[in-house]
Amino acid sequence: AQKITQTQPGMFVQEKEAVTLDCTYDTSDPSYGLFWYKQPSSGEMIFLIYQGSYDQQNATEGRYSLNFQKARKSANLVISASQLGDSAMYFCAMRGVTGNQFYFGTGTSLTVIP
Amino acid sequence: DTGVSQDPRHKITKRGQNVTFRCDPISEHNRLYWYRQTLGQGPEFLTYFQNEAQLEKSRLLSDRFSAERPKGSFSTLEIQRTEQGDSAMYLCASSLVVAPDTQYFGPGTRLTVL
Repeated sequence: AQKITQTQPGMFVQEKEAVTLDCTYDTSDPSYGLFWYKQPSSGEMIFLIYQGSYDQQNATEGRYSLNFQKARKSANLVISASQLGDSAMYFCAMRGVTGNQFYFGTGTSLTVIP
Repeated sequence: DTGVSQDPRHKITKRGQNVTFRCDPISEHNRLYWYRQTLGQGPEFLTYFQNEAQLEKSRLLSDRFSAERPKGSFSTLEIQRTEQGDSAMYLCASSLVVAPDTQYFGPGTRLTVL
């Protein structure tokens, strides 16, 4: 069975600082994908970044980077130079080998303080 | 526009009534997914379509739930004999078969069952 764990219900960060949101996962699939989504108060899930289990390098997308540690089964999201607009819920997700079902964690609420 | 749209955005109904939600995916996307998100949780997979074929259903999708995608374009999710436990946000997402990892989400339909 697939499981995603996000242990930080809420995080605060000062504007312009970097923040790390934690995510650990459990799967027996040999191949899988890891994702981070942002969900503002409007409700829409916004795709941020993707990491394949066989990718050698950590994924980066602008101010977002994914710190992938396969042996530890962790896929932490790092947001650099936080902006007020980054305040939202952040969800870590995984898809297994079939690629059809996505499994989401419970989310971390990020608040950026001016 | 070109995003995923959902209608209605909010629905309030009385227990025992039937409700139907609609999702219009991004026009060239052949995969369509339905998720349910309850308060404080991440989205949970319900079902997905490839074109008009419903290829996978979660055990969460009880017999009171039915989803269709008759022409391979828009999809409907119907809940019969609603219960208070059905209160949730219902999210729709779409993707291309050749790029299933990139799911684009709609704004969701928030259902409240009184």
